[in-house]
Amino acid sequence: GESVGLHLPTLSVQEGDNSIINCAYSNSASDYFIWYKQESGKGPQFIIDIRSNMDKRQGQRVTVLLNKTVKHLSLQIAATQPGDSAVYFCAENSGTYKYIFGTGTRLKVLA
Amino acid sequence: GAGVSQTPSNKVTEKGKYVELRCDPISGHTALYWYRQSLGQGPEFLIYFQGTGAADDSGLPNDRFFAVRPEGSVSTLKIQRTERGDSAVYLCASSRDHRRGGEQYFGPGTRLTVT
Repeated sequence: GESVGLHLPTLSVQEGDNSIINCAYSNSASDYFIWYKQESGKGPQFIIDIRSNMDKRQGQRVTVLLNKTVKHLSLQIAATQPGDSAVYFCAENSGTYKYIFGTGTRLKVLA
Repeated sequence: GAGVSQTPSNKVTEKGKYVELRCDPISGHTALYWYRQSLGQGPEFLIYFQGTGAADDSGLPNDRFFAVRPEGSVSTLKIQRTERGDSAVYLCASSRDHRRGGEQYFGPGTRLTVT
């Protein structure tokens, strides 16, 4: 399948370390945000979401932080594993059915 | 159960030809989305269906692009007079209902190459 994001920003982390992936969103009216994981040759896979009335949400090994003041979103992955290697996208939504995706970050997990 | 499926997985066509890309959403999902993803970019919204009707087609780049969903399930994205700039991965996603923020499930995409 298609290799997504040959020229994406890349984050390399050692297996077992924590990863932090950042995203700056553009629309101050956006009030719903999603993080997706995309492996090569596959479609994006939902990881976690957050609404603008929250500034933090936790899932299994993942935490999303939202800072509306500076329009910044981050995804933290605890104890990063080889299977976490992928491209990660944030997506924002401002009340329509249209989701605006960021350009993505490639996460490489080093053994 | 089965996820979103898309066919073909790869399509190579000559400039000027017509292509159809098919999406089979998850059974029972009323909302369906088409996106286009170019190399190194995030998915770009094309069109959204709620049931059989296109609720938002504002992302279609021009009138060469058209999508249908006649029975509220399978959808076909149609591209006329293809251009090299149309080369990309075309992703389809579906969600259980029309509520904004409903979790979208993506298919694997169709990689379109226009030569």
